[in-house]
Amino acid sequence: GENVEQHPSTLSVQEGDSAVIKCTYSDSASNYFPWYKQELGKRPQLIIDIRSNVGEKKDQRIAVTLNKTAKHFSLHITETQPEDSAVYFCAASITGGGNKLTFGTGTQLKVEL
Amino acid sequence: NAGVTQTPKFQVLKTGQSMTLQCAQDMNHEYMSWYRQDPGMGLRLIHYSVGAGITDQGEVPNGYNVSRSTTEDFPLRLLSAAPSQTSVYFCASSYSGVGQPQHFGDGTRLSIL
Repeated sequence: GENVEQHPSTLSVQEGDSAVIKCTYSDSASNYFPWYKQELGKRPQLIIDIRSNVGEKKDQRIAVTLNKTAKHFSLHITETQPEDSAVYFCAASITGGGNKLTFGTGTQLKVEL
Repeated sequence: NAGVTQTPKFQVLKTGQSMTLQCAQDMNHEYMSWYRQDPGMGLRLIHYSVGAGITDQGEVPNGYNVSRSTTEDFPLRLLSAAPSQTSVYFCASSYSGVGQPQHFGDGTRLSIL
């Protein structure tokens, strides 16, 4: 089955700096790569996703890049703000019906003032 | 529009007791799934459904049962609670596939003594 590895497990940045979280996946058939943000005690929220026919996707201060050859994808957050502090999860799946999503183990991002 | 609603939010059980975690969605999504979240392990799929009357096992199904009699409801049953089932449980729904959850419930925090 699919295996998703996520690094780093914790990340501390100064407000205004950029943050990068990296994930690798094992199944070359995976073609859907979402990112979720989870604040303490809250539900995971889908913040951005990318499909394998696209190399990069941006949404305001958030961007995701995908390298299919190397089987890795990354989340980039620019101009970080205190409200960006949360746990971020990457995941991978094959689109279609009953195909399952495999999550990484999460990155605790702390944005310091 | 409530999205995905889970009840209860908190529950304490004794070993050997049974209970049902409720999940309901009002978005007419075909795909629903249950995850458990343990520290340092991300979210792991327990069971999922691709439509009313159709369910299947995920990564960690042992000790849990599900049914899907309507599109809206997808309850998770613990047959005989064990301390290893102490976790936070999230229900999710999607219009596009089990592997693409767009909405999560608020979670049920379950402790087994």
